[in-house]
Amino acid sequence: EAGVTQSPTHLIKTRGQQVTLRCSPISGHTSVYWYQQALGLGLQFLLWYDEGEERNRGNFPPRFSGRQFPNYSSELNVNALELEDSALYLCASSQERGPYEQYFGPGTRLTVT
Amino acid sequence: GQQVMQIPQYQHVQEGEDFTTYCNSSTTLSNIQWYKQRPGGHPVFLIQLVKSGEVKKQKRLTFQFGEAKKNSSLHITATQTTDVGTYFCAGSLGGGSNYKLTFGKGTLLTVNP
Repeated sequence: EAGVTQSPTHLIKTRGQQVTLRCSPISGHTSVYWYQQALGLGLQFLLWYDEGEERNRGNFPPRFSGRQFPNYSSELNVNALELEDSALYLCASSQERGPYEQYFGPGTRLTVT
Repeated sequence: GQQVMQIPQYQHVQEGEDFTTYCNSSTTLSNIQWYKQRPGGHPVFLIQLVKSGEVKKQKRLTFQFGEAKKNSSLHITATQTTDVGTYFCAGSLGGGSNYKLTFGKGTLLTVNP
């Protein structure tokens, strides 16, 4: 069984640019979660999608957005990049909404210069 | 908002010594999960605790959920070099549309062989 996949692996962008990160969940998983892992800050919850709908979002500005497609894959978009957006962006999936174990992908390392 | 505090931030032990990390929530949790992230890797689910006072064991790892469901601990007996990594606790307030995991900042464990 294939795990959660994310693309790209690494990304370097300039302040003010926009970026799109992609995530494919484990087959059969309908919930996708996005987290930001910045150095020293642990995992910060960004967004949760389930059945194509945004179910919850963390304490991040509106320039962080995303969507989930009918095949349950997901995109995370970040507009007007700032230096502090440099982080590892992790996607996780779970089989259903709610308190189930989350399976994480390898992440996308975003560097903003 | 909900906060999950984890201590210590770092722990260095000699191989064979025991290790414990503690997790405290500002609010009563419905469940708590534990994850391990190896250096350069992504978080991997270890266990979920749901019941007040619950204790679960996985080989050398013992997980506890406090009676008030506001704290938890992970204890590793006789650490090995393979235990190196960051251990995160993550709590949730329940299911439904407001479900989200709030992660502690993690405890980085290093083991001297």
